[in-house]
Formats: sequence, structure tokens, C-alpha cells
Amino acid sequence: GQSLEQPSEVTAVEGAIVQINCTYQTSGFYGLSWYQQHDGGAPTFLSYNALDGLEETGRFSSFLSRSDSYGYLLLQELQMKDSASYFCAVRTTDSWGKLQFGAGTQVVVTP
Amino acid sequence: DAGVIQSPRHEVTEMGQEVTLRCKPISGHDYLFWYRQTMMRGLELLIYFNNNVPIDDSGMPEDRFSAKMPNASFSTLKIQPSEPRDSAVYFCASSPRGQYYEQYFGPGTRLTVT
Repeated sequence: GQSLEQPSEVTAVEGAIVQINCTYQTSGFYGLSWYQQHDGGAPTFLSYNALDGLEETGRFSSFLSRSDSYGYLLLQELQMKDSASYFCAVRTTDSWGKLQFGAGTQVVVTP
Repeated sequence: DAGVIQSPRHEVTEMGQEVTLRCKPISGHDYLFWYRQTMMRGLELLIYFNNNVPIDDSGMPEDRFSAKMPNASFSTLKIQPSEPRDSAVYFCASSPRGQYYEQYFGPGTRLTVT
């Protein structure tokens, strides 16, 4: 079977750094994606890691360790607009093109 | 680019009625996905198409659900008959060839079945 685990909620103040962890168990693995979803909105793509290491995109970075079946999304210099749900998603070998999404982490940014 | 377009944005219907959701993917994208999102079950993939051909429909809940993609610019998801447990937000997403991991979602259709 396949499973993804991520924390349900994280709270932090503006300007802080937040790390959202994602651990996965899959029968096969291609890569790990991250999506952001604001309340009432649609998921939007943030990043994708297929290889070990850190990918940086502005204030957001994503990390992958294939040997540990683990990845994280790092949000730096938090802003109020970063309050949203963040989903990790695994692309598996079971079905080409298919993503399985985690349950999501609600990030709450306070003043 | 207009992005993925979905209609209607909101649909309220009575149990037993037929519901049709529509999607126009981003031009040039090869893949089209239909998702359902609820608080209880999260974001679930229902079905996806590659070049208008259904590839994996293992997420379709039951025979009441059907999806078609008659051409590269249009897809429908139909529920007949609808039931209250079908109430959810339905998203359509598309992605370009070779970038299955980067999906572009439409605004969603909020379906309420009473």
C-alpha cells in the first residue's frame, strides 16, 4: 500500500521559518511534489523533487531524501498570505501520471 | 493563458438528479485529471486522461460516475443519479507532457446534493 504522513497544523509568527515534513511509503517512487491551497481556492503547484537534495524557489525550498522516504517544505520569512494548507504528493509507479496527495498541513501565520 | 476553466462554479441539486461538470484544460496540455475534495477524504483522484484516452479510473466511486473527453479541449464528469454523499468540491487539472508532477488546477465546482 501507499501512505503519506504530514502534520495536520503548524502555527508560526510573521517573519519566522516553518518546516513541513512529509514521510511516505510507496511500492515505487518517482518524486515528491508540494502544493499550496488557500481556503476556498484551488491547489497550486509549488515544487517537485525527484532527486535527493534541496530545491530553492524564492522564500520556499523543498528537500528530498529518497533513502529515508522523507521530504520537507521550508517556508522562510513567513507572511500572512502564506496562511494556507500545504500538501505533499507522491508520484508512484502504480499508474503513470497519478499523484497521491497527503492529508495536508494547515499553516497559520499570526501577526 | 486563461488557465483551466470549470463550469459551473456552484451546483445545488436534489438527490436523484443528473449532474454534469465541465472542464476546459490548458491548451497544449496532454493530461487531464478529475479530483474530488472533501474534509473527510481529502483530495482524491477520480480519473485521468492522456491525449483524450482514459488511463486510470480506479478512483471513480461507482457506476453512477462517468467521465468523457471527446477532444483535447473539453471533458465532462457526470453523476447520475446524484446522492447527498457526492457533495464535495470537484477539481479538474491539466499538466503538460512529461510534467505529470506539475498539475494546474481549475477553480473547482462546489456540488451540493440535497
